[in-house]
Amino acid sequence: AQSVTQLGSHVSVSEGALVLLRCNYSSSVPPYLFWYVQYPNQGLQLLLKYTTGATLVKGINGFEAEFKKSETSFHLTKPSAHMSDAAEYFCAVSGPWGYSTLTFGKGTMLLVSP
Amino acid sequence: DGGITQSPKYLFRKEGQNVTLSCEQNLNHDAMYWYRQDPGQGLRLIYYSQIVNDFQKGDIAEGYSVSREKKESFPLTVTSAQKNPTAFYLCASTLDRDTEAFFGQGTRLTVV
Repeated sequence: AQSVTQLGSHVSVSEGALVLLRCNYSSSVPPYLFWYVQYPNQGLQLLLKYTTGATLVKGINGFEAEFKKSETSFHLTKPSAHMSDAAEYFCAVSGPWGYSTLTFGKGTMLLVSP
Repeated sequence: DGGITQSPKYLFRKEGQNVTLSCEQNLNHDAMYWYRQDPGQGLRLIYYSQIVNDFQKGDIAEGYSVSREKKESFPLTVTSAQKNPTAFYLCASTLDRDTEAFFGQGTRLTVV
């Protein structure tokens, strides 16, 4: 069965600081992994995805994530936070009903202070 | 521009009433999905459809119904059997089974 654990429902950083959002998953098959961002009362926007190949994935807005199979992790990072990064972030793993159905984590709210 | 349109953005329903949420896409995507979002709970899959006239239950289908009569449309009906329908509902679509999902802007349903 698929599951996703996001460590920390809220993460606070200062503008310019490193952003690290943690995601661990379990999957019964080789996973596809995703990070989505959601601004208040809006839909989800894809930040980046891992399917196969290179384990370091670069996405939009300066975000990147590294797939580590041995640790079953897919942590999201950004070297320098910007005020506009304040939003809720969701990690998701493919399945259980095919690769396009998704199992989501509970989300991490990123707060950025000046 | 191509995308997914959900309507209405806000919806109020009295207890005991059925209500239908609209989802339309012009991306020519084969598959469509409905997710429910509750605060602090992430998103959970309600129903999905990979082709016209076919759909499958997800994690939390009880109290919901769907139809897929056209490729571009996947309406969700929240029935009176759904005990706690107040939530944010998100529709998504994918080109096929193995591509990433594109999401609509959501419908916030409140039972009054």
